[in-house]
Amino acid sequence: GAVVSQHPSWVICKSGTSVKIECRSLDFQATTMFWYRQFPKQSLMLMATSNEGSKATYEQGVEKDKFLINHASLTLSTLTVTSAHPEDSSFYICSARKRRGPYEQYFGPGTRLTVT
Amino acid sequence: RKEVEQDPGPFNVPEGATVAFNCTYSNSASQSFFWYRQDCRKEPKLLMSVYSSGNEDGRFTAQLNRASQYISLLIRDSKLSDSATYLCAVTAGDAGNNRKLIWGLGTSLAVNP
Repeated sequence: GAVVSQHPSWVICKSGTSVKIECRSLDFQATTMFWYRQFPKQSLMLMATSNEGSKATYEQGVEKDKFLINHASLTLSTLTVTSAHPEDSSFYICSARKRRGPYEQYFGPGTRLTVT
Repeated sequence: RKEVEQDPGPFNVPEGATVAFNCTYSNSASQSFFWYRQDCRKEPKLLMSVYSSGNEDGRFTAQLNRASQYISLLIRDSKLSDSATYLCAVTAGDAGNNRKLIWGLGTSLAVNP
């Protein structure tokens, strides 16, 4: 199997606060995890690639100081949205790639963030 | 030119119809290819990997044409439950752990009764 969980599934927070989203691979080890954002009726936008034990690689235009990523183990990566603003409201989805094998990515169920 | 291009549709087809989607990619060095489906407000789910020899899974057939740099997905005998957005993804970037996927915008399919 290849099950990825994400927590929380939805969150509402006030502007200026920080929100942490967890992504876990439940039945496999994931050397690499990916964080995406998706706005309504738009495609997936890769934010960053997270490797266990090293710094994340951010895509162009994504502020690393605003979107903090930590990949502390082979089964857990976290994304913290710091000082959230209403424009950060989106669907955040993580995916994980198995440590060995082809390059398929398995997605968590996503976190719907609303910043008021 | 976008790295991965798909016809956004929507494709409206009756139940039982056969429908085909194409996806073109620009990086000739891409090595791995995938079709995902995404339901409204849900995460993408892997539908099929696409191999050079082509592969079939029930009503779904995927093919790769490296010379023309496109992949295709054929759905036979469409069901209402096939209604979704179909995303094409190809690998890009450096080798090893950081090989990320480049995504198409998706093709919307609506199967009508």
